[in-house]
Amino acid sequence: KAGVTQTPRYLIKTRGQQVTLSCSPISGHRSVSWYQQTPGQGLQFLFEYFSETQRNKGNFPGRFSGRQFSNSRSEMNVSTLELGDSALYLCASSLEQGVRDEQFFGPGTRLTVL
Amino acid sequence: GENVEQHPSTLSVQEGDSAVIKCTYSDSASNYFPWYKQELGKGPQLIIDIRSNVGEKKDQRIAVTLNKTAKHFSLHITETQPEDSAVYFCAATLNSGYSTLTFGKGTMLLVSP
Repeated sequence: KAGVTQTPRYLIKTRGQQVTLSCSPISGHRSVSWYQQTPGQGLQFLFEYFSETQRNKGNFPGRFSGRQFSNSRSEMNVSTLELGDSALYLCASSLEQGVRDEQFFGPGTRLTVL
Repeated sequence: GENVEQHPSTLSVQEGDSAVIKCTYSDSASNYFPWYKQELGKGPQLIIDIRSNVGEKKDQRIAVTLNKTAKHFSLHITETQPEDSAVYFCAATLNSGYSTLTFGKGTMLLVSP
């Protein structure tokens, strides 16, 4: 069974631009969570989607948004990029909502904002 | 909300030695505690987890202990090998559908041959 895939793997943007990251969960998984990983803050939860609905949201500004499609694929968008948005963005999928089941992480998208 | 502290931030051991990583959490309602291993260029991978109804769980060379009274849990790796070198994260959460994982800041484990 294929794992969680994220595209693109690497991305370079400039301040003020916007970016869209994509995540394809493991087949059959309905929950997708997004995390931001930085050396200073570690892994921080962004949001979780289940059956196309956002069920949880972390403490991030409104510039960070996401959505989930009917096939469970998810995208996250960051508008008006800031230097501090440079990070590894990780997507994780699980069978059910929340953490009842193991979360399987993708390899991440490395975003660099110049 | 939940807060998870993890120590040490780096840990260097010789091959064959044991390694221990400790975490404390703040929310007494948390009842699910997973540990993740992250290798360079990869996403975190679950290596072991423990729920609040047990005090210890083992899986080959890896074990996790939980002390709910003191609100701390630990990862123990015995007979370390160079391939154990990675960043390890602990996490805590209330295991319900509306809860989210709160992670510790991570421990970089270096196992020297």
